[in-house]
Amino acid sequence: AQSVAQPEDQVNVAEGNPLTVKCTYSVSGNPYLFWYVQYPNRGLQFLLKYITGDNLVKGSYGFEAEFNKSQTSFHLKKPSALVSDSALYFCAVRDGSTGANNLFFGTGTRLTVIP
Amino acid sequence: EADIYQTPRYLVIGTGKKITLECSQTMGHDKMYWYQQDPGMELHLIHYSYGVNSTEKGDLSSESTVSRIRTEHFPLTLESARPSHTSQYLCASSEGLARRDEQFFGPGTRLTVL
Repeated sequence: AQSVAQPEDQVNVAEGNPLTVKCTYSVSGNPYLFWYVQYPNRGLQFLLKYITGDNLVKGSYGFEAEFNKSQTSFHLKKPSALVSDSALYFCAVRDGSTGANNLFFGTGTRLTVIP
Repeated sequence: EADIYQTPRYLVIGTGKKITLECSQTMGHDKMYWYQQDPGMELHLIHYSYGVNSTEKGDLSSESTVSRIRTEHFPLTLESARPSHTSQYLCASSEGLARRDEQFFGPGTRLTVL
């Protein structure tokens, strides 16, 4: 079975400081991992994904994420947070080794960047 | 920004009414999805489609039904709405059949059933 855990409901960070939003996953096969961001009154927007290759993935708006197979983690990071980064962030996983098409989402982490 | 649209954005209706939530995308994507999201909770897949005349149920049991008569259109229907159907419904699409493809989401429909 596939699952995603986002252990922090809320993350607060000062503007200009580095930010990390945590995600751990569980799949039986090869993980396909995604990060999405949801701004108020808007749909989810794709940020980045890991399929294979380099463990450090770079995405939109200066975000990056590091795939760690041994820790089954895919934490989202940004070196310097902006107030405009404040939003709800979702990690998602799909089992790339099976025929399953379902994308499993975490419960979301609300990021607040304090000016 | 992705070209995927949902109407209405907000809907408040009484119990027992039939409703259809509209979803359209102009990207020519084969796969489309419907998710249900309660406030502060994760998204749950309720329906998906591989293409025209293809529909499948997702992980979360739902009393809704869907149809896919045209590539760009994937409406969701509730024959008789109940308060338990109050939620946010998100439509999404992806380009092909590859499981590695990211999904593009619409803005959502927030449904309240009184």
